[in-house]
Amino acid sequence: SQTIHQWPATLVQPVGSPLSLECTVEGTSNPNLYWYRQAAGRGLQLLFYSVGIGQISSEVPQNLSASRPQDRQFILSSKKLLLSDSGFYLCAWSPLAGGLLQFFGPGTRLTVL
Amino acid sequence: AQSVTQPDIHITVSEGASLELRCNYSYGATPYLFWYVQSPGQGLQLLLKYFSGDTLVQGIKGFEAEFKRSQSSFNLRKPSVHWSDAAEYFCAVGAMYSGGGADGLTFGKGTHLIIQP
Repeated sequence: SQTIHQWPATLVQPVGSPLSLECTVEGTSNPNLYWYRQAAGRGLQLLFYSVGIGQISSEVPQNLSASRPQDRQFILSSKKLLLSDSGFYLCAWSPLAGGLLQFFGPGTRLTVL
Repeated sequence: AQSVTQPDIHITVSEGASLELRCNYSYGATPYLFWYVQSPGQGLQLLLKYFSGDTLVQGIKGFEAEFKRSQSSFNLRKPSVHWSDAAEYFCAVGAMYSGGGADGLTFGKGTHLIIQP
């Protein structure tokens, strides 16, 4: 069966520091991968998605970036964190082209101080 | 563009009572519809999905949802809620393009379910 992992589970970082969040999927190949941010009371905001290694699409312009160095690995990064980057970050994978069925990881709680 | 509306931000239900969470979508083609549940500090878990066929779909944990095209709705129901059902519930919609492609999911803002003892 397929599983999706995210780490770290929680992270507290100072403003201006770098960020690296990792997401890996097991038990499948060539998944579509997604990064979402969930702010309190605002639902899910799609940040990036990837249909293959090295292929990244950005949905919202911001100081975050994403990379997919391996088929089942998706990384969310920032060179300098802002206070507004605080939130709950969710990674998801989909076995379907177009991402019509998505399965979510456990999430990472990021607090920027 | 697709949109999903969950009109109830919070709903309070007594334990053992029935539940209905509302979801309305806006899209011209046949939608693909989903309900997810999120416990505090956790990721989203898929409860059920509608792709085609029978408009009443059964999901996990005793939940069901009914697709009503005429009302553009996909309401989630449960005949008797348990305290463990307290969580955030998200409705989502996706669609296939005529050329066979798709463009991911659009999520509603969620409904927070509170269970009273």
